[in-house]
Amino acid sequence: QQQVKQSPQSLIVQKGGISIINCAYENTAFDYFPWYQQFPGKGPALLIAIRPDVSEKKEGRFTISFNKSAKQFSLHIMDSQPGDSATYFCAARRDGDYKLSFGAGTTVTVRA
Amino acid sequence: EAGVAQSPRYKIIEKRQSVAFWCNPISGHATLYWYQQILGQGPKLLIQFQNNGVVDDSQLPKDRFSAERLKGVDSTLKIQPAKLEDSAVYLCASSFSGLNSPLHFGNGTRLTVT
Repeated sequence: QQQVKQSPQSLIVQKGGISIINCAYENTAFDYFPWYQQFPGKGPALLIAIRPDVSEKKEGRFTISFNKSAKQFSLHIMDSQPGDSATYFCAARRDGDYKLSFGAGTTVTVRA
Repeated sequence: EAGVAQSPRYKIIEKRQSVAFWCNPISGHATLYWYQQILGQGPKLLIQFQNNGVVDDSQLPKDRFSAERLKGVDSTLKIQPAKLEDSAVYLCASSFSGLNSPLHFGNGTRLTVT
């Protein structure tokens, strides 16, 4: 079963706009939540990650918001650029476990 | 540092044939993973190695898939015989120690089974 549910499946945003991708999970034992960025023909690359002891983490134009009570977390891409066009995956992992459970992915297209 | 190397980049085979993929992880990375990524889905872990040993192969279809990591470095993933539903990108990833270490993915091998 899919342990991390991701939405939307795809989105289109204008250059300079904000892209928002949402993920939800059920397993309260998850304690590490990374986001991966994947360009066509490439493997996923770690973008940013958060642990549940903080509600927000920002790195440049990328921000993760985390809502522990709702078991949801989201990625915000501010001032979206055409170079941000890629597929984004959220993931989650339990404390002490190696295995990452990935969401289904969101394809982001930034129009110039 | 050099990234995770995978070969071949593409492979087309007919069903019931066999195929093998090769992975060379980042130097010094003890943990190696094979993921299967079906079009439109997130990667799914097939098998995880810590040095030479298998840590998790619970999602590996063992009747047709096998993997080995000799000498704790390179790894090969084999499918025999292949089925149509095995068409996917096979991603190899490595990490320094596993827990709390980020995964570094290779660019994958795209397998098409006809």
